[in-house]
Amino acid sequence: KAGVTQTPRYLIKTRGQQVTLSCSPISGHRSVSWYQQTPGQGLQFLFEYFSETQRNKGNFPGRFSGRQFSNSRSEMNVSTLELGDSALYLCASSTHSYGYTFGSGTRLTVV
Amino acid sequence: GESVGLHLPTLSVQEGDNSIINCAYSNSASDYFIWYKQESGKGPQFIIDIRSNMDKRQGQRVTVLLNKTVKHLSLQIAATQPGDSAVYFCAEIYSGSQGNLIFGKGTKLSVKP
Repeated sequence: KAGVTQTPRYLIKTRGQQVTLSCSPISGHRSVSWYQQTPGQGLQFLFEYFSETQRNKGNFPGRFSGRQFSNSRSEMNVSTLELGDSALYLCASSTHSYGYTFGSGTRLTVV
Repeated sequence: GESVGLHLPTLSVQEGDNSIINCAYSNSASDYFIWYKQESGKGPQFIIDIRSNMDKRQGQRVTVLLNKTVKHLSLQIAATQPGDSAVYFCAEIYSGSQGNLIFGKGTKLSVKP
């Protein structure tokens, strides 16, 4: 059974640009959550999608957005990138709000 | 690992010893708890979970203890091996929060051969 797949693994972007990250959940998992991980703040919740609907959102500015497709794959977008957005972005999939499995993450560097 | 911060607690143990990693959680309404292991360059890897209606759960070489009275969680690793070296996180969630795992700051476990 394939795990959670995140692409790309690494990204370098310039301040002011936007970026889109992708997450393919474990087959059959309909919930996808996104997290930002930084050395200073640790792991912080961004948002969660279930059946193409955002059910929950963390305390991040509106520059951070996401969506989920009918096949449960999810994307997150960050617009107008800032240096402080440099982080490891992780997604996790689950079935019914238990058993969250994480992908390897996308390392975003903003220069 | 990716999550190492300037003040990440560190636990150093000898190979073969038992390790105990502690975690204080924040929300008395949390009803599900997970321990994750994160190695450098990788995402968090599920180790073991426990629901709030349990006090103890055992897996292969790992045991999680939950004390709801003092909002404390611990992970015990038996016969610690060099491959156990990583950062360990506890995470809590309550059933109404839909995907919002709240993570602790993490503990770095270093195993000396």
